[in-house]
Amino acid sequence: NAGVTQTPKFQVLKTGQSMTLQCAQDMNHEYMSWYRQDPGMGLRLIHYSVGAGITDQGEVPNGYNVSRSTTEDFPLRLLSAAPSQTSVYFCASSYLRTGQWETQYFGPGTRLLVL
Amino acid sequence: GESVGLHLPTLSVQEGDNSIINCAYSNSASDYFIWYKQESGKGPQFIIDIRSNMDKRQGQRVTVLLNKTVKHLSLQIAATQPGDSAVYFCAETYQGAQKLVFGQGTRLTINP
Repeated sequence: NAGVTQTPKFQVLKTGQSMTLQCAQDMNHEYMSWYRQDPGMGLRLIHYSVGAGITDQGEVPNGYNVSRSTTEDFPLRLLSAAPSQTSVYFCASSYLRTGQWETQYFGPGTRLLVL
Repeated sequence: GESVGLHLPTLSVQEGDNSIINCAYSNSASDYFIWYKQESGKGPQFIIDIRSNMDKRQGQRVTVLLNKTVKHLSLQIAATQPGDSAVYFCAETYQGAQKLVFGQGTRLTINP
């Protein structure tokens, strides 16, 4: 298994541009999520999904859209990038076991710079 | 909103010594706690977890202690090695939401 994969690894955008950060997992996990990590800080939840067709907002959802059409993929869309969205973005996945969610496994991250 | 915090932002230990990293949480409804290790340029890596029905859990060279009375979590690393140098995050959640709340992190530095 490749685990959680993210593309691209690094991206530079101009203010107002749009882009999609890709996330895929091959572990058949029901749960997927997106976090952002700013310098010297912990991760903050942007959006999450508990299954295909189901998404919900996290702590910092403004400026981001998500969709979950398949179990494997969970793309994050920036419709109009702003400098405040400069950050490192991590995707994670998890699964249910005996009715309880297990720990989340993280991808390698996408470093985004918005000029 | 409630969040997880850490007592110390940095910790330096001698190679071979034991390390203890502390974490305070404020949400009494949290019932699942996780420690992650993050090396430079990488994503968080799972170390060990504990559920609220336990006080202690041991892994390979690591132990997590949970004190629900004072809402305190700690990570103990035995015989610290150079490869243990990283930032360590605690995270909390409750089963109903599976929304991880991360602390700020503690940078662990190993001195030779």
